[in-house]
Amino acid sequence: QKEVEQDPGPLSVPEGAIVSLNCTYSNSAFQYFMWYRQYSRKGPELLMYTYSSGNKEDGRFTAQVDKSSKYISLFIRDSQPSDSATYLCAIDTHSWGKLQFGAGTQVVVTP
Amino acid sequence: EAGVAQSPRYKIIEKRQSVAFWCNPISGHATLYWYQQILGQGPKLLIQFQNNGVVDDSQLPKDRFSAERLKGVDSTLKIQPAKLEDSAVYLCASSYPGTSGGQFFGPGTRLTVL
Repeated sequence: QKEVEQDPGPLSVPEGAIVSLNCTYSNSAFQYFMWYRQYSRKGPELLMYTYSSGNKEDGRFTAQVDKSSKYISLFIRDSQPSDSATYLCAIDTHSWGKLQFGAGTQVVVTP
Repeated sequence: EAGVAQSPRYKIIEKRQSVAFWCNPISGHATLYWYQQILGQGPKLLIQFQNNGVVDDSQLPKDRFSAERLKGVDSTLKIQPAKLEDSAVYLCASSYPGTSGGQFFGPGTRLTVL
C-alpha cells in the first residue's frame, strides 16, 4: 500500500466551476500537508502549506485537512484555463523535508 | 530572486552509459534535494543535503547513483551505468533548513535512456 494515494484523473471541468481534489494517507504520524501545482515540463510549485486539521484559504484556493480520516483536499474556486496542470499532494512527518508525494491529479479547465 | 537552476534540461543516452546533472540552488538555501519523477508518478526523494552533508540517502540506488555537494552550494547527481528504468525527470529543490513546505523546485532534467 502506498503511503499517499491520489486519483490520477484526468479531471475535466468547465471554466468557472469548482475543482475538488483529494488525497488519502496511511501514516498517522504525518503532520505537514502541502499542495503543489506542476505545469507540463516544469518543476512543482508550492500552492498551499498546512500543519493542523481544518481549513486554510488563499485567494481562490482552499486546503482542508482531516487528520482523523487521514484525508486532505484542495478546492479551486472560479477555475480558469490557466489552472490546467497536475496537482500533487505532499505530506511530511517532521518538517525535515522528506516529502511523500501523491501521484498527482491532472486537471483540465475548458473555456 | 533567481530560482533553482538545473542543467542540462534534456539528455538522451544509451543504457550502460554515464550521465551527470547539475543544480544551483537559491542563494542562502542550505538544504538541497534531488528527486526522481517517473512519468505518471509523484517525485521521489533520492537524496537530501544540508550544507555539504548528507541528511538522507535511503532511497538512492547507491550501486549506480552518486551525488555530491561541494562547498555547500552547487550539487551534481551522477548515474553510472544507466539502466532503461532510470528514464525520468530529475528534479532539484532547495529550502531553508526545517522548512519542509518551503521547497522550491527547479525545472528538472528529462533523461531518456535507450
